[in-house]
Amino acid sequence: ETGVTQSPTHLIKTRGQQVTLRCSSQSGHNTVSWYQQALGQGPQFIFQYYREEENGRGNFPPRFSGLQFPNYSSELNVNALELDDSALYLCASRVDSGKLFFGSGTQLSVL
Amino acid sequence: AQSVSQHNHHVILSEAASLELGCNYSYGGTVNLFWYVQYPGQHLQLLLKYFSGDPLVKGIKGFEAEFIKSKFSFNLRKPSVQWSDTAEYFCAVNEMNRDDKIIFGKGTRLHILP
Repeated sequence: ETGVTQSPTHLIKTRGQQVTLRCSSQSGHNTVSWYQQALGQGPQFIFQYYREEENGRGNFPPRFSGLQFPNYSSELNVNALELDDSALYLCASRVDSGKLFFGSGTQLSVL
Repeated sequence: AQSVSQHNHHVILSEAASLELGCNYSYGGTVNLFWYVQYPGQHLQLLLKYFSGDPLVKGIKGFEAEFIKSKFSFNLRKPSVQWSDTAEYFCAVNEMNRDDKIIFGKGTRLHILP
């Protein structure tokens, strides 16, 4: 058990809709990052938040955005969903430069 | 740009066989290297990591990896695999002192026959 919980586990949306994915980290984990894992691929870094501020971003468009809250929870928001956004979305958190703990992910299907 | 290449997409071995999974990365600077494992139905977890020092790194469950800087490689090894090692293995890299973005390879699916 990693102490990182993601919800929902599965989600189906249609193209053009917006989605919010949630992550709850262990107390004290001040850094959270989000990854997209398409079928047959490794996880791809979307962005990272440290103490509620974004401090690193991968090659994802601005319609991918996030929030981190003081209670160690966080959100990934995706606007204007596209078919290619169908993937497993992983949340990972840690304390400063410590070990990264991954959640089990949210499987998003865009129809 | 950084990239990670894993040589095998799918490996099938019998129990007690020796394992070596290849990983090469491309980046000119100093990097941290990782192997992550994802067992069926479970979350990604760290198997081992290399930050500095001894290039032969030992991880959990009898796995080890060797960092060869001249070859930009970080191959994973285990002398004798078990059925419970069936999982997907990801090699990953990030730039030293930039602990945000971790670049993952596409993964190697390992299937151990009992």
